[in-house]
Amino acid sequence: QLQLQESGPGLVKPSETLSLTCTVSGGSISSSSYYWGWIRQPPGKGLEWIGSIYYSGSTYYNPSLKSRVTISVDTSKNQFSLKLSSVTAADTAVYYCARRPVAPLTNAFDIWGQGTMVTVSS
Amino acid sequence: AIRITQSPSSLSASTGDRVTITCRASQGISSYLAWYQQKPGKAPKLLIYAASTLQSGVPSRFSGSGSGTDFTLTISCLQSEDFATYYCQQYYSYPWTFGQGTKVEIK
Repeated sequence: QLQLQESGPGLVKPSETLSLTCTVSGGSISSSSYYWGWIRQPPGKGLEWIGSIYYSGSTYYNPSLKSRVTISVDTSKNQFSLKLSSVTAADTAVYYCARRPVAPLTNAFDIWGQGTMVTVSS
Repeated sequence: AIRITQSPSSLSASTGDRVTITCRASQGISSYLAWYQQKPGKAPKLLIYAASTLQSGVPSRFSGSGSGTDFTLTISCLQSEDFATYYCQQYYSYPWTFGQGTKVEIK
């Protein structure tokens, strides 16, 4: 059964770079059938898609964050990662990693990690 | 970006009630709409994709309908475990966007 697990610092200082990793277990990140993505949720608020990556390295970012976001994949470790630079308090959120199928119409986020809370504070 | 307007933002209902939540997209998205359920402290769970296709393992009391700009999630007979927040999401075009959420509370 495929599982995703986020990891990384829970506290980041303003202006620094937030770095998170999602480890995929029970399946291969190199499958041609899936994209892998990051979604965040500020406390008490709704969901925001950050970006997605394919195992080949093709990326898609939310324009609202594009200038600060980098998503990368490490197929040898079955992981993909998120870097968000120049963070402010507005970036405080629970960060989720998730999988979505490639096939059209089926490509909603079908498997999610448990989420990791990241607080931006000095 | 495509805006998704979800309503109501919250509702109170009793076990056994029929509940309907709607989402309206700012432009046509065909059937590229998903519904998620989120319980406090948990990740969202996919309920429905392609506007009306039930995800494997999801109870049949959940159903979705609509296409184009107007979509509906219906819970036919609300159960205690259904009290949660529900989100819709369009995946017709980047950036993927979510509705603001509907919190279903116990009356």
